[in-house]
Amino acid sequence: GAGVSQSPSNKVTEKGKDVELRCDPISGHTALYWYRQRLGQGLEFLIYFQGNSAPDKSGLPSDRFSAERTGESVSTLTIQRTQQEDSAVYLCASSSTSGTYNEQFFGPGTRLTVL
Amino acid sequence: AQSVTQLDSQVPVFEEAPVELRCNYSSSVSVYLFWYVQYPNQGLQLLLKYLSGSTLVKGINGFEAEFNKSQTSFHLRKPSVHISDTAEYFCAVSRTNYGGSQGNLIFGKGTKLSVKP
Repeated sequence: GAGVSQSPSNKVTEKGKDVELRCDPISGHTALYWYRQRLGQGLEFLIYFQGNSAPDKSGLPSDRFSAERTGESVSTLTIQRTQQEDSAVYLCASSSTSGTYNEQFFGPGTRLTVL
Repeated sequence: AQSVTQLDSQVPVFEEAPVELRCNYSSSVSVYLFWYVQYPNQGLQLLLKYLSGSTLVKGINGFEAEFNKSQTSFHLRKPSVHISDTAEYFCAVSRTNYGGSQGNLIFGKGTKLSVKP
């Protein structure tokens, strides 16, 4: 079946512009996560959705970052007034919540470059 | 809070040699433990996981890891590596399940394994 998909795969933008990154989770997965991978760093958790609510936004680095999710499907991560330090690969993952342990499946990521 | 430390940022090794990638974690609550692999220009793939039970877990591609609670470690090993194992490896933890959610993963900074002929 289809995995997690993300678009665009690459995004180059100018400092100060807004960008939107999209994640399509695996069908039926109620949990959705956003992570950020900056060069030379591990993955940093940004936000978690359970359905269309976000019980954990603790990883969002500033109020320039926001995210929303429509039902149990598509999620959009928006970065306003982008800065050069926002350059990173943004990864999305989804999982079911039906068992004690639910594996997170990762998408291929969106590579964001802020000039 | 949880944290993960991968002690080596880069590990060069010759083909067919054994390798160990080290991971230590810190947590005040019980956690699940994971190793993920990221091949060049590809997404993250789960290599293996420890949830409970036997402390020695086996994963894909001949990798295994041993959970050591007293040393809070979860080192990854392979007895004989191949060129194709060249990739970046990430150790991660998550809180054990509660309220129907696993919770987010907390990653180490990664170890780049470079296998040379």
